[in-house]
Amino acid sequence: AQRVTQPEKLLSVFKGAPVELKCNYSYSGSPELFWYVQYSRQRLQLLLRHISRESIKGFTADLNKGETSFHLKKPFAQEEDSAMYYCALSQEPGANNLFFGTGTRLTVIP
Amino acid sequence: ETGVTQSPTHLIKTRGQQVTLRCSSQSGHNTVSWYQQALGQGPQFIFQYYREEENGRGNFPPRFSGLQFPNYSSELNVNALELDDSALYLCASSVPQGIDTQYFGPGTRLTVL
Repeated sequence: AQRVTQPEKLLSVFKGAPVELKCNYSYSGSPELFWYVQYSRQRLQLLLRHISRESIKGFTADLNKGETSFHLKKPFAQEEDSAMYYCALSQEPGANNLFFGTGTRLTVIP
Repeated sequence: ETGVTQSPTHLIKTRGQQVTLRCSSQSGHNTVSWYQQALGQGPQFIFQYYREEENGRGNFPPRFSGLQFPNYSSELNVNALELDDSALYLCASSVPQGIDTQYFGPGTRLTVL
């Protein structure tokens, strides 16, 4: 069975500091991994997906199949990055049914 | 382009009642997925509809059922409501088997008393 673990419920960093939000997964197949973000009073939206290998809003995430991790990183946090971040897994590319972690609330301190 | 909309925004029901939640998908999207998000948790996949047929289901009992209409809008029905059904219900639309991703609606907050 698939499982997504985000070990930190809350994470606070100072503006300009590096940030890393951790995500580990368990799934025996070849999953597709995503990061979704929910800003205050907004709907859940895609931040990035591993298959596209993009950098969005300065965030990157590398899929490490050996460690089954998909950590989200940004070298210099901004106040507007404060939000709830969810790591999610799809059992195969295009399957479109997502399994989410419990989320990490990131607060960037001015 | 119209985004995903859901109705109602909030709903209060009592235990044992039935509820219907509605979702209109984003223009051009023919697949709708429903998720339940309990307080402090991530969204949990309930089921997905494609071309008016159920196309995948998560670990939810049969009293959670759905419909998809020819215009791709969708309903989530929950019978015999239980206290634990209190949650935010999210709808997401997408194009199947493609490079597109899921677009989420704002959710319906259901409270069961």
